[in-house]
Amino acid sequence: DSGVTQTPKHLITATGQRVTLRCSPRSGDLSVYWYQQSLDQGLQFLIQYYNGEERAKGNILERFSAQQFPDLHSELNLSSLELGDSALYFCASSAPGRGETEAFFGQGTRLTVV
Amino acid sequence: GQQLNQSPQSMFIQEGEDVSMNCTSSSIFNTWLWYKQDPGEGPVLLIALYKAGELTSNGRLTAQFGITRKDSFLNISASIPSDVGIYFCAGHRRYSGGGADGLTFGKGTHLIIQP
Repeated sequence: DSGVTQTPKHLITATGQRVTLRCSPRSGDLSVYWYQQSLDQGLQFLIQYYNGEERAKGNILERFSAQQFPDLHSELNLSSLELGDSALYFCASSAPGRGETEAFFGQGTRLTVV
Repeated sequence: GQQLNQSPQSMFIQEGEDVSMNCTSSSIFNTWLWYKQDPGEGPVLLIALYKAGELTSNGRLTAQFGITRKDSFLNISASIPSDVGIYFCAGHRRYSGGGADGLTFGKGTHLIIQP
């Protein structure tokens, strides 16, 4: 158990819909990252938040957005969903120090868009 | 974007054999990490490397940060059935202005062990 909690574990929704994925980082970690894992693209970095503020942006679509709340939990919002958005979405967190590079991953949310 | 070339894509080995996999990049990374992912789970951190030339062990696992900072390898000695899974290399880069990206991952090495 990494200590990173993600909900829900599975999500099935229709094209055009909007969903919210939730992540609670490990106790004491200030950084939260979101990654997307698909068969064709592999694991891709989407976005990072540090103590409530956006710190780095990766290959995140404009239809996707995230935020980190004062209690440090984070949400990833996916809107106008397309079939190609079906993937595993992982949240990871890291502690200050060592450049915050040692990321610990949650179990993921499997999103299926039908 | 940056690409990490991880090889081999898959390995079929006998229990007890040693395993070696590697990752190369066209760009320099400040940190190299190795993760293992089991079906239905998130990646689990195995080893993190912070300095060019660094050699680090974690039980039967040994990883090295290449001196060019563009490559890394992972060795597993005396493989056992629970070593089955997908192994990912990942690189992390910091920028001179203080910024950084998230991790860049390789496509993974699928390790299959035949008893």
